[in-house]
Amino acid sequence: QKEVEQDPGPLSVPEGAIVSLNCTYSNSAFQYFMWYRQYSRKGPELLMYTYSSGNKEDGRFTAQVDKSSKYISLFIRDSQPSDSATYLCAMISNQAGTALIFGKGTTLSVSS
Amino acid sequence: GAGVSQSPSNKVTEKGKDVELRCDPISGHTALYWYRQSLGQGLEFLIYFQGNSAPDKSGLPSDRFSAERTGGSVSTLTIQRTQQEDSAVYLCASSLVGGGAYEQYFGPGTRLTVT
Repeated sequence: QKEVEQDPGPLSVPEGAIVSLNCTYSNSAFQYFMWYRQYSRKGPELLMYTYSSGNKEDGRFTAQVDKSSKYISLFIRDSQPSDSATYLCAMISNQAGTALIFGKGTTLSVSS
Repeated sequence: GAGVSQSPSNKVTEKGKDVELRCDPISGHTALYWYRQSLGQGLEFLIYFQGNSAPDKSGLPSDRFSAERTGGSVSTLTIQRTQQEDSAVYLCASSLVGGGAYEQYFGPGTRLTVT
């Protein structure tokens, strides 16, 4: 079992839809949970991060972490064609010297 | 300000040749990471530099891979005797602090194709 599992999609939705992206993980030491967005032929860019359990909202984006279930989600409201990209979840523990552990990414396409 | 830059953006090489990939981190960032992104495999951690500490090489897939960071800034990833399975996008990231740093800034990557 990989440390982080993410459904690769692809996921296709019409403009204005609510999108739900999810990851599960197995390592209970993870404390920081991130969502990166990657456009084609570009490097990943950090969208949001959450520390431990809870919700965090930023504009149309909401990140949720449920540590008891080892499950994280990213919701995108009122999706736009510009949201079309690959979304990568990533996690890291507090332990010094560790690197981000990524999911494989979900490819999202929002049609106008 | 300037972000993380990588060069070259694309590299095509013949099997068995050596390649060098370069990363210029954001000025002042003490931590630098190399990742590899292969089709269907996601991003894999390769190596991590933090200040003057010994690098964490635990992600390097074989002894054909090595990296150095000079003067705490620019880093070079070297792949010797390239194989076709080395074909991937190699991404560099930097952050202000190492350890559990969550806010990593990525460069655009170097797309390596081994023929």
